[in-house]
Amino acid sequence: EPEVTQTPSHQVTQMGQEVILRCVPISNHLYFYWYRQILGQKVEFLVSFYNNEISEKSEIFDDQFSVERPDGSNFTLKIRSTKLEDSAMYFCASSERTASNTELFFGSGTQLSVL
Amino acid sequence: AQSVTQLGSHVSVSEGALVLLRCNYSSSVPPYLFWYVQYPNQGLQLLLKYTTGATLVKGINGFEAEFKKSETSFHLTKPSAHMSDAAEYFCAVRTDTGRRALTFGSGTRLQVQP
Repeated sequence: EPEVTQTPSHQVTQMGQEVILRCVPISNHLYFYWYRQILGQKVEFLVSFYNNEISEKSEIFDDQFSVERPDGSNFTLKIRSTKLEDSAMYFCASSERTASNTELFFGSGTQLSVL
Repeated sequence: AQSVTQLGSHVSVSEGALVLLRCNYSSSVPPYLFWYVQYPNQGLQLLLKYTTGATLVKGINGFEAEFKKSETSFHLTKPSAHMSDAAEYFCAVRTDTGRRALTFGSGTRLQVQP
């Protein structure tokens, strides 16, 4: 069964360092998303992406964040200068369509720890 | 803007007992409602969704949920809990206007006691 794949599963970094979280969405999906979950808190929307541009982003997704589809299969989230409060589980998701009744398929997440 | 409230961050039931996980939503337009489950060390998996039509929706693993507009609720139930149901459950909402991203509740961790 097709699935969304995320790497690495765990990432430890020092405050101020740049990190890139990687995702391989399901191959025929066209819409991509990043969510995050800080320990003990809600799963929060960060950004959605379609046709090589951001379609929607939340207040969390500030200038330190960026997303890219560098090739036909990968979808990345870059955090330029990590802060302690960026420590969270980051989930990538994809969907066939952008219609609001469409299911999102999620990866297993990358646990980011900023020290 | 839409939002979701899940009552009870932890729910514990005995094996074979009824599972009831509560979800209330807030939306000024017709919502699309979803329940996702997260097993340990895994991603979020769709259990079921309500879009339009029948208000009682059935999902995987024997779960079902009923959309009640008058109560703005979408509670998740299962008649008989199995040990394998132990997981975290998330209710989520999307709409066709405004913020279209999937908005999650804070989750409910279900424990199943033998």
